[in-house]
Amino acid sequence: KAGVTQTPRYLIKTRGQQVTLSCSPISGHRSVSWYQQTPGQGLQFLFEYFSETQRNKGNFPGRFSGRQFSNSRSEMNVSTLELGDSALYLCASSPGNHGNEQFFGPGTRLTVL
Amino acid sequence: EDKVVQSPLSLVVHEGDTVTLNCSYEVTNFRSLLWYKQEKKAPTFLFMLTSSGIEKKSGRLSSILDKKELSSILNITATQTGDSAIYLCAVETMAGTASKLTFGTGTRLQVTL
Repeated sequence: KAGVTQTPRYLIKTRGQQVTLSCSPISGHRSVSWYQQTPGQGLQFLFEYFSETQRNKGNFPGRFSGRQFSNSRSEMNVSTLELGDSALYLCASSPGNHGNEQFFGPGTRLTVL
Repeated sequence: EDKVVQSPLSLVVHEGDTVTLNCSYEVTNFRSLLWYKQEKKAPTFLFMLTSSGIEKKSGRLSSILDKKELSSILNITATQTGDSAIYLCAVETMAGTASKLTFGTGTRLQVTL
């Protein structure tokens, strides 16, 4: 089975712009979770989507949003970018039944200038 | 707020040494504890622990959960340079039908010759 894929792998944006990141889960997986990883804060949970519905949400401002499509692919959008949004954004997929480990994609490295 | 703390933050050992990494947590509605290894990119899954006192093993790595002490340890015996990585501990918690992972900031392990 192919693993979790994320596009793009690297992205450079300027303050005030918006960005959309994409995640394709492992075939058959219905849950996609998004995380932000920074050196100071570690991995922080953004949100989880399951069957096109946001099932859980972390403590991030409304500038961070996401959606999931019927084929389980997910996108994450960040509007009005700030310098502090520079981070590695990871998505993880799982079958969706609680208790299953999450499989991570390679991440998108976002740099905001 | 759910909290996961790992110690030590970083560790340098010689090849062949045995290391013990610690993870403690304060969370609501605990479901499981997971260990991941992160080298340059995506975290890769190592163990999932749900029951206290039962050791999980995979080769030179082993882990055990102590639900009374709200902690877990990850042991690596006969370390090799390929074990150099960041080791992440995550706790899965439930909120209604949704679950989420809260990660610690990780332990950076460097194994030298």
